[in-house]
Amino acid sequence: EVQLVQSGAEVKKPGESLKISCEGSGYTFANYWIGWVRQMPGKGLEWMGIIYPGDSDTRYSPSFQGQVTMSADNSITTAYLQWSSLKASDTAMYYCARPSTTTYYDAFDIWGQGTMVTVSS
Amino acid sequence: EIVLTQSPGTLSLSPGERATLSCRASQSVSSSYLAWYQQKPGQAPRLIIYGTSSRATGIPDRFSGSGSGTDFTLTISRLDSEDSAVYYCQQYGSSPRTFGQGTKVEIK
Repeated sequence: EVQLVQSGAEVKKPGESLKISCEGSGYTFANYWIGWVRQMPGKGLEWMGIIYPGDSDTRYSPSFQGQVTMSADNSITTAYLQWSSLKASDTAMYYCARPSTTTYYDAFDIWGQGTMVTVSS
Repeated sequence: EIVLTQSPGTLSLSPGERATLSCRASQSVSSSYLAWYQQKPGQAPRLIIYGTSSRATGIPDRFSGSGSGTDFTLTISRLDSEDSAVYYCQQYGSSPRTFGQGTKVEIK
């Protein structure tokens, strides 16, 4: 079964760093793009960016460029989303997702369960 | 960046009725790379339509998508109580990929 399993909920203080993970299984991890989507409390979905684990080619939304870093480790079939200095406005649910095919231009049909990040002093 | 505007904000209908959700793009969506997702409370989004009109695996045929260029529609032909959710459109033909703000479907 193809699945993405995300790391657990995090509670952090402003200024702290954080790295959350998304482990893929049931498929060849390196061959499929993995995207990240933010959902702030009570709000809609925002596309943050996408990474190709095979060569770490990464495309960021301008809204998130410089605010987060996406990475991937093929040896443990895991993608990461990290912050160097969290703000309260980073409080949100973060989803990783994978397209149904290996092509770049495809919709996300496999989703992780989400990681809730809470940033509060 | 392509801005997607969904309407209406909320749709309140009875079981068995037809729901029509609209998604309008600020510029033409490349190659009809338009998807629809369903999200229920506390759950991750679920893909229901891709490529404007293709149903994802396991999606019942009461869901259908249509449109081209800048105007797209998701139709639920006969509403079921399990269709209560927020529906998002997304374009994935140009970067950054963007989502609409969502339409909430309530079942009376």
